[in-house]
Amino acid sequence: ETGVTQSPTHLIKTRGQQVTLRCSSQSGHNTVSWYQQALGQGPQFIFQYYREEENGRGNFPPRFSGLQFPNYSSELNVNALELDDSALYLCASSLVRVPGELFFGEGSRLTVL
Amino acid sequence: AQRVTQPEKLLSVFKGAPVELKCNYSYSGSPELFWYVQYSRQRLQLLLRHISRESIKGFTADLNKGETSFHLKKPFAQEEDSAMYYCALSGSFSFGNEKLTFGTGTRLTIIP
Repeated sequence: ETGVTQSPTHLIKTRGQQVTLRCSSQSGHNTVSWYQQALGQGPQFIFQYYREEENGRGNFPPRFSGLQFPNYSSELNVNALELDDSALYLCASSLVRVPGELFFGEGSRLTVL
Repeated sequence: AQRVTQPEKLLSVFKGAPVELKCNYSYSGSPELFWYVQYSRQRLQLLLRHISRESIKGFTADLNKGETSFHLKKPFAQEEDSAMYYCALSGSFSFGNEKLTFGTGTRLTIIP
């Protein structure tokens, strides 16, 4: 069984740029969620995708957007990067019928200069 | 609004001593609560959920709605329990829609 994989693991961008982060769900999982974890904080919910549609969103501006593909993999896109976007971005996959049990990837660490 | 508070950022306990990691929540409805753990150089993973009333690796957690708490307990700490622990709340279980609200975490260190 393949776990959740994320890429890239680390990246550095400058303010105003755009970034795309990628996630492959655990085999058989149909739901993917993205979380932002700032230093010293717990993960904060960005949004969730189910059957290729956004199915819930946290308190993040529209410049944070995502996609889920037919194979359940996912992308997180952030436009017009700001310094405060520097964080670890976690992808988590799950099964709808098992609420609360998220399987996390190792994350993509984004640094915005 | 949902909120999870973990008052201790750091907690050190001697091996063999009891462990209690505190978690308080704020939620107007009926919450579902979880503990997640992150061991060194590993990814975040589910430890236990209150609805299952299970004991995992010797840890238990009881939901106290009166005190809005979900403290994690273990009677005898082991060195392998050293990790970062996050309490999380899910207030929405409509089909295919769930959002976990995490606390800021407690780093537990077991002293040999």
